[in-house]
Amino acid sequence: NAGVTQTPKFRILKIGQSMTLQCTQDMNHNYMYWYRQDPGMGLKLIYYSVGAGITDKGEVPNGYNVSRSTTEDFPLRLELAAPSQTSVYFCASRAGTSGRDYNEQFFGPGTRLTVL
Amino acid sequence: DAKTTQPNSMESNEEEPVHLPCNHSTISGTDYIHWYRQLPSQGPEYVIHGLTSNVNNRMASLAIAEDRKSSTLILHRATLRDAAVYYCILRAPLGSGGYQKVTFGIGTKLQVIP
Repeated sequence: NAGVTQTPKFRILKIGQSMTLQCTQDMNHNYMYWYRQDPGMGLKLIYYSVGAGITDKGEVPNGYNVSRSTTEDFPLRLELAAPSQTSVYFCASRAGTSGRDYNEQFFGPGTRLTVL
Repeated sequence: DAKTTQPNSMESNEEEPVHLPCNHSTISGTDYIHWYRQLPSQGPEYVIHGLTSNVNNRMASLAIAEDRKSSTLILHRATLRDAAVYYCILRAPLGSGGYQKVTFGIGTKLQVIP
């Protein structure tokens, strides 16, 4: 299994441009997440999805949109890039409830985004 | 939301044990204690979790205080590869509405000295 893959690895955007950060997992996980990590800080949840067609906001959703048309893919869309969105973006996934008390999250390698 | 407090940084000599503390005085009775770590330029990875009893796995041990207001992640023999940021987070039980919305704090940056 490749696990969680993210593309691109790096990207520089100009203010006002838009882009889509791609996230794919091959573990058949129901749950997927997008986080952002600002320099020297922890991770903050942007959006999450509990299955295809179902998404919900996290702590910092403003300026972002998501969709979940398949189990495997969970793209994150930035419509009007702003310097405040300069960050490292991590996608994660986990299996659903299965009689266990916990299912660990698996994280992708991240996308480093700079908005100038 | 219940919060956790961790030291910003710690140092350890290689091949010595490391005890990483975490305070969570407002933990609820059903919150699980989780530890993740983030190696440089990588995404976080799961380390261990527990509820009330101490836990061991191949990576580490988790010691939970009897009142559950604090916990300690124990790396039995630090290696250079263990240099990372370690996050202690609290999570509601799997399947509950509060499970998803968890924020990773700043964590503890562990430096391992050769």
